[in-house]
Amino acid sequence: EAQVTQNPRYLITVTGKKLTVTCSQNMNHEYMSWYRQDPGLGLRQIYYSMNVEVTDKGDVPEGYKVSRKEKRNFPLILESPSPNQTSLYFCASRRTGESNQPQHFGDGTRLSIL
Amino acid sequence: QKEVEQDPGPLSVPEGAIVSLNCTYSNSAFQYFMWYRQYSRKGPELLMYTYSSGNKEDGRFTAQVDKSSKYISLFIRDSQPSDSATYLCAMSDGNQFYFGTGTSLTVIP
Repeated sequence: EAQVTQNPRYLITVTGKKLTVTCSQNMNHEYMSWYRQDPGLGLRQIYYSMNVEVTDKGDVPEGYKVSRKEKRNFPLILESPSPNQTSLYFCASRRTGESNQPQHFGDGTRLSIL
Repeated sequence: QKEVEQDPGPLSVPEGAIVSLNCTYSNSAFQYFMWYRQYSRKGPELLMYTYSSGNKEDGRFTAQVDKSSKYISLFIRDSQPSDSATYLCAMSDGNQFYFGTGTSLTVIP
């Protein structure tokens, strides 16, 4: 089954404790992306990756890091989480090339930073 | 000014009604236009995908894009209670994606 898998689905942690949210896709998609969703602000793009070893900042990259060492994986790293990073996070992937395809989303990771 | 503006609603309609959802945008570089549906505790699910201007129909759903007015619409005919969800518009220049804040729709049986 084609899917984007995020882990963990839920996490409560404390300010300053480094955390990683993993994202994996099994569709051999070139493009992967991270979003956060906040009430009244909608989905905002954090980082995206056009392919392996290629990453770019989205709209709200501050406080986040990403890496793309393998095509299927795109982890989101919060080196020193703060309460304003409490949010619902989504990973997405899509095929690029001659027909830019729309994104497929994971089911989300709800992060609470205390 | 936000890249994408969407009326958050909420919108409540009786079963069988025609629903109209709209978004406006400011960036003329956008070429790809999408509508997603999101149920509670789930990721956005693609409904409609349009490249450039024009209309696209899929069953009860019709998407319209007017690039000259920077305006996109989604019409839902014969709305059903199962259509109750949040609807997100999204746009892209091919690299970055920008989403509206979503419109909450409830279809009352």
